[in-house]
Amino acid sequence: AQSVTQLDSHVSVSEGTPVLLRCNYSSSYSPSLFWYVQHPNKGLQLLLKYTSAATLVKGINGFEAEFKKSETSFHLTKPSAHMSDAAEYFCVVTPTYSSASKIIFGSGTRLSIRP
Amino acid sequence: GAVVSQHPSWVICKSGTSVKIECRSLDFQATTMFWYRQFPKQSLMLMATSNEGSKATYEQGVEKDKFLINHASLTLSTLTVTSAHPEDSSFYICSASVKGDNYGYTFGSGTRLTVV
Repeated sequence: AQSVTQLDSHVSVSEGTPVLLRCNYSSSYSPSLFWYVQHPNKGLQLLLKYTSAATLVKGINGFEAEFKKSETSFHLTKPSAHMSDAAEYFCVVTPTYSSASKIIFGSGTRLSIRP
Repeated sequence: GAVVSQHPSWVICKSGTSVKIECRSLDFQATTMFWYRQFPKQSLMLMATSNEGSKATYEQGVEKDKFLINHASLTLSTLTVTSAHPEDSSFYICSASVKGDNYGYTFGSGTRLTVV
């Protein structure tokens, strides 16, 4: 069985400060993990993905995430927040090597950026 | 990269009518597509898994006669909301899995359905 927990429903940071969005997962299989961003009334855009290669994954727009098996975590970080980063972020887990499997979404974290 | 085109981006319809939403994979073949529903300020809820050439697999609680899914080709899946009611108003998103891309998932841009 798989599950994913996003620990914060809402995170608010000041522009120019670091961002940390937390995600913990549970998986019976070797997981693939993803972070997606969704702006209001838009579809989802892939930020980055982990598929059993390097544990530190760099994505678009300066985001990165580190896969920590011992902590079953895949937290999303960014050194310096920008106003355009304000959006909803979803952590997603799926079994690796199974393209037809269901993907499990976290409940989402809304990121707000203060000027 | 892989692109999934979803149309329309928004639609308003009257109660009792049907609405069709299309999801196309533009530069790859998608043997499997997924349909999600998203309520305001909530996560995505998987409605059904669509496999090319076969019947869709619906999640528990999703009415298959209400939400008709057709996946007639490797590049097109459609979701038809039949006899729509205001409670069907929601944001619907499709996605396709991309073989050969570490099994990444590409999402359509979503369809905002409002039933009046």
